[in-house]
Amino acid sequence: AQKITQTQPGMFVQEKEAVTLDCTYDTSDQSYGLFWYKQPSSGEMIFLIYQGSYDEQNATEGRYSLNFQKARKSANLVISASQLGDSAMYFCAMREGRIQGAQKLVFGQGTRLTINP
Amino acid sequence: NAGVMQNPRHLVRRRGQEARLRCSPMKGHSHVYWYRQLPEEGLKFMVYLQKENIIDESGMPKERFSAEFPKEGPSILRIQQVVRGDSAAYFCASSQRPQGVTYNEQFFGPGTRLTVL
Repeated sequence: AQKITQTQPGMFVQEKEAVTLDCTYDTSDQSYGLFWYKQPSSGEMIFLIYQGSYDEQNATEGRYSLNFQKARKSANLVISASQLGDSAMYFCAMREGRIQGAQKLVFGQGTRLTINP
Repeated sequence: NAGVMQNPRHLVRRRGQEARLRCSPMKGHSHVYWYRQLPEEGLKFMVYLQKENIIDESGMPKERFSAEFPKEGPSILRIQQVVRGDSAAYFCASSQRPQGVTYNEQFFGPGTRLTVL
């Protein structure tokens, strides 16, 4: 069973518009963490934002915010005022496993975001 | 203030050869994770190591793959007798010692792109 589902293989957005990237997850743990990473064409993985399952408020980091709906098991990334440099692959990931505190990440398939001028 | 370092960045091997990928964690980090990314897919967990210990290797193929993190020196991911299907990007991430269930960010290296001819 897929633990992280990103249903949008690709998205095209006009510059300066807001964009929402979908992510749903599946876990029976009460304590877990959700992450978003950006992977530009150069290939590196850039951490964007984190949401803990017990965090009461939605996480925000600059233009990034995470719309966390626990009952729906969704953790959508919202990028406000998109820029050309936001064009990249975006991955949602969940921390699972606590073997000696191990925090391995499970990744979704990714969404390729293209910002049009 | 170096981040996670991986070398080589690109590695080309012929079928049947061995591939050695190296990862130096961030200063002060004693935990290393290896992930593999096949083309157009998300990252998949392979192995989690502490110094001189393999903690979780549930994502490692049963044959030809091995990993170590010696007391001194970088972590090594070793692939023996490579096949074309091993062509992928291999990412290393490091973190500090996990503290219970709290979030402990994993910092990713730039990855090693392995091409098997």
